Parts: sequence; C-alpha cells; structure tokens
Amino acid sequence: AQTVTQSQPEMSVQEAETVTLSCTYDTSESDYYLFWYKQPPSRQMILVIRQEAYKQQNATENRFSVNFQKAAKSFSLKISDSQLGDAAMYFCAYRVLDSNYQLIWGAGTKLIIKP
Amino acid sequence: EPEVTQTPSHQVTQMGQEVILRCVPISNHLYFYWYRQILGQKVEFLVSFYNNEISEKSEIFDDQFSVERPDGSNFTLKIRSTKLEDSAMYFCAIARQGILDTQYFGPGTRLTVL
Repeated sequence: AQTVTQSQPEMSVQEAETVTLSCTYDTSESDYYLFWYKQPPSRQMILVIRQEAYKQQNATENRFSVNFQKAAKSFSLKISDSQLGDAAMYFCAYRVLDSNYQLIWGAGTKLIIKP
Repeated sequence: EPEVTQTPSHQVTQMGQEVILRCVPISNHLYFYWYRQILGQKVEFLVSFYNNEISEKSEIFDDQFSVERPDGSNFTLKIRSTKLEDSAMYFCAIARQGILDTQYFGPGTRLTVL
C-alpha cells in the first residue's frame, strides 16, 4: 500500500527567507503524480504544485519549487521569499494511478511565518 | 483553475439525523470525489464518482453514506444517520477531463454532530 510521510509537524521561517518542507512516500508504482496542497486557516484546500513522476525536471510555480528525487522517493517543497500569506498547513499527496485515482495524503506540516 | 462551491459551509446536526452536503462545479466535470478531514487528522478519501456511478470507495464509506448527482450538476453526499465521529470537514474535489487531471477542491463543509 502506498503511504505518504511528512516528518515535520511544524516549521517556522522568517519572512522573506526560504523554507523547505519534507515529504517521502512509499510505492511500488513507476508512474504517479505528487502534489503539494496548502490549507490556510479557512481550511480550504488549495493546489500549490504538481509533479509527474515521469518528468525529471522539478516543477516550479513562482516562489514554490520542488526537489523530486524519484529513487529516494522524496518530494520536498521549497518556498522562497516567504510571505505572511504563506502561513498554512501544507499537505503532500500522492496520486494513485489505478481505477479510482484517489489522493493519498501525508499528515501535514504547519508553516509559521515570523514577521 | 476550475471553480467548485460547496453548501452549506457549516452544518450542525443532532446525532442520528440525516444530512446532505452539496458540491456544485462551475463548469462541466466528469470526475468527482469526496474526502473528509477530522480536526487535526489526515485527509481521508471517501468515494470517487464517474459517469454517474461510484468508481471506488474506501472502508469509511459504509452503508450510511451515499452519493448521487441527481440533476446532472449538483453532486451530493448523504449521511443517513449521523454519528458523533462524523464531525469533520468534508471536501468535494473535481477533475475536469482525463483521469490523470489534477483534483481541485471546494471550500469544504464543516459538519458538527452534537
């Protein structure tokens, strides 16, 4: 069974600094997708970034980028120039490529931005 | 990014009562999902729905749960006889086209069972 692990329950960073959130996963599949979702205090789930396993190039979205290490089954999220609005829970998720395509979630990392 | 709304934003109900949570995609989508998140816990998959039928469901999705898309637009999750442990955020997610499409989430419904 696939699992997703986020080992950092909480991280803090100074505003304008860079922070990296860790995620590891376990799977026997070769084709899959990985996602980072952000959940602010409103509790809405917002897509941050997506990575296809077949792509070697790391995905980037403005200040957000990932370090995807397929062999190590690692998928970390880097947030550059942290802003107060980045404060949220961040969830790593794995997309199963079978008949249901459900997302499997990590436990989340709470990111605190210090002004 | 596709838009999806959920109603109500917050539902308070008595244990044993039936609740219906609604998901309304703004544009045409083919794939629908329900997830729940008990406060402080992981997000959990409940059910996926495609072509007007359930394609997959988790162990959580027992006989007290049902889903339907009665009018071709709204996608509903019904809990027949709520329990205290059903208190959670319920998220609807949609995928626009292919089965490999990204899932986009609605704002969620906070269900409180008293």
